Amino acid sequence: GNSVTQMEGPVTLSEEAFLTINCTYTATGYPSLFWYVQYPGEGLQLLLKATKADDKGSNKGFEATYRKETTSFHLEKGSVQVSDSAVYFCALMGGSYIPTFGRGTSLIVHP
Amino acid sequence: GAVVSQHPSRVICKSGTSVKIECRSLDFQATTMFWYRQFPKQSLMLMATSNEGSKATYEQGVEKDKFLINHASLTLSTLTVTSAHPEDSSFYICSAQGTDDYNSPLHFGNGTRLTVT
Repeated sequence: GNSVTQMEGPVTLSEEAFLTINCTYTATGYPSLFWYVQYPGEGLQLLLKATKADDKGSNKGFEATYRKETTSFHLEKGSVQVSDSAVYFCALMGGSYIPTFGRGTSLIVHP
Repeated sequence: GAVVSQHPSRVICKSGTSVKIECRSLDFQATTMFWYRQFPKQSLMLMATSNEGSKATYEQGVEKDKFLINHASLTLSTLTVTSAHPEDSSFYICSAQGTDDYNSPLHFGNGTRLTVT
């Protein structure tokens, strides 16, 4: 079946540091890939997506590239802010049509 | 953008009572709705998938008689936790998918924090 693996958190960074959160997946066919963000006490919000190989999703300074050869969709941001502190979920959809989420990675950004 | 409204945001109930959580798609028709339970340390557990007008499909290990899901219209799904117990205390989140394109993103409600005393 489909699966998504994310790096363990929490990831703790200082403001303006570079961020990478790793995500790899296993899926049949050609899924679409997503990153969602969850702020404390809230539901999940779509951050970015990519629907085919080599697509780059981007939003709010975050980027992720759909790498079919490495089955990865790593999230990056060049300069994080305190307001980016949240939990980030990598997800895929396709094939069975049941969304599959990673376990989430908590990001803590210090001033 | 697409908005999903989930109510209540917080509820405290006594053990043995039932609690209903509503999930509404405000500006689109939700073909499919998903109900999740979120445990400490973030992980999301898919409880069930519901399609309008049909019975929900429950994931393995989820008691369908305890977690009643009704998707009576294209804009409303409800989750009723029956005979709640303290171990049912958790954060419940609904999400909706608005088109027949199963690769389209999900839209999430803001979650319901259930505390059973």
